[in-house]
Amino acid sequence: DAGVIQSPRHEVTEMGQEVTLRCKPISGHNSLFWYRQTMMRGLELLIYFNNNVPIDDSGMPEDRFSAKMPNASFSTLKIQPSEPRDSAVYFCASSLDGGMGGEQYFGPGTRLTVT
Amino acid sequence: QQQVKQSPQSLIVQKGGIPIINCAYENTAFDYFPWYQQFPGKGPALLIAIRPDVSEKKEGRFTISFNKSAKQFSLHIMDSQPGDSATYFCAATYTGGFKTIFGAGTRLFVKA
Repeated sequence: DAGVIQSPRHEVTEMGQEVTLRCKPISGHNSLFWYRQTMMRGLELLIYFNNNVPIDDSGMPEDRFSAKMPNASFSTLKIQPSEPRDSAVYFCASSLDGGMGGEQYFGPGTRLTVT
Repeated sequence: QQQVKQSPQSLIVQKGGIPIINCAYENTAFDYFPWYQQFPGKGPALLIAIRPDVSEKKEGRFTISFNKSAKQFSLHIMDSQPGDSATYFCAATYTGGFKTIFGAGTRLFVKA
């Protein structure tokens, strides 16, 4: 298996622009997680899905952030409009049977820079 | 109550030393405690994990010690090597839950 796939790997955009991050989880996994990592705040869980349904989005910082999972093999995280403070590395992770403490497999991350 | 507190924030040891990273939790419902290792430019990856019915688990040079009564657990790296230099995250979750709570991370540097 190719593992969790994220695109793009790097994104540089100007403040106010829309940014869309993409994730393809490992085939057969039924839980998907979006994280944000910064030096100041560490690894923060933004939202997670189970069987394509959003379970908890309490970590989404504000209404500018939205996430979708239209099917079991694809998810997006959108920021509109983007701000410099959104600059971070965004990770997608997937797991099988997320309710049983299953191992999470992380993608390589998307490094977002908002100027 | 959902937090996992991790210390130290950073750690420097000589090659062959035994770095120890400590974590503490509050929620007694947690029943699975994984450690993740992250190299620069990569996503975290599961290193070793333990359930509270055992007090110690070893995998190669990595050992988790677990103290259920104190609600604390720690990672020991035996005979540390420069290649172990990475950020280590402790975490906690529970059966029936979906969320894994991560500690703040410890940046380890092993000097050659």
